[in-house]
Amino acid sequence: GQQVQQSPASLVLQEGENAELQCNFSSTATRLQWFYQRPGGSLVSLLSNPSGTKHTGRLTSTTVTKERRGSLHISSSQITDSGTYLCAMERDDTGYQNFYFGKGTSLTVIP
Amino acid sequence: NAGVIQTPRHKVTGKGQEATLWCEPISGHSAVFWYRQTIVQGLEFLTYFRNQAPIDDSGMPKERFSAQMPNQSHSTLKIQSTQPQDSAVYLCASSMGQFYAEQFFGPGTRLTVL
Repeated sequence: GQQVQQSPASLVLQEGENAELQCNFSSTATRLQWFYQRPGGSLVSLLSNPSGTKHTGRLTSTTVTKERRGSLHISSSQITDSGTYLCAMERDDTGYQNFYFGKGTSLTVIP
Repeated sequence: NAGVIQTPRHKVTGKGQEATLWCEPISGHSAVFWYRQTIVQGLEFLTYFRNQAPIDDSGMPKERFSAQMPNQSHSTLKIQSTQPQDSAVYLCASSMGQFYAEQFFGPGTRLTVL
C-alpha cells in the first residue's frame, strides 16, 4: 500500500492566506523531505528534518516521527507558490538511503 | 555547479523501439536514483546506485528495463521494446549517499511512446 499519504490532494488559496499541508507515513522514517515542483518542472528541495520544527523564509516544516506525521506550513501565500508540493519519507531500516514519495498536494494561489 | 543533468529532455519513440536515457549526477555525489513520474501513479522509485554499484532495483519492471552506471559521472536507463504505458517523465536524482543527505533532482526526460 501507499507508504506516504499527503492531504489535501489539492488546495486553492487567495493570496496572503496560509496553507497547511499534511504528510502521513506508514513505516518508520528517519526524516521527511519536502519538495516543490512547478508544472513541467523538476523537483526542488525545500526543507528536510528528522524531527521537530524547521523554518526557512515563509516555510515551516514540522515532523513528529513517533506519530508518523509531518506538515508543511506556508505563510502569506503568493501566486508564485502555486505548484505541487511533495513529501518524501526516508527510511533507514534498509541500511541505505531509501525514499518514498507521496502523490503531492497541488496548490493554486489566486489573486 | 550545473546540477544533475539529464538528456534528452524529450524523447518520442514508436512502440517496440528502444529508448536510452542519460543522467549525469552532481560531481562528488556517490548516490544516483532513478524515478518515474506519471499523473496517475505519482513519483515511483525505480533503482538506486551507490558508488556505481546497483543497490536496489526493486522498482524496475524486470523484463524491459535496465540501468547501468559505468562510471561515477553518468548513469543510463534503457527501456527495450517500449510500450505506450512507459510514457512518463523519468527523473534522476543524486545525493552524497549518507543518511540525511539531500537529494538533488535533474530536470527529467519526458518519454512519449506512440
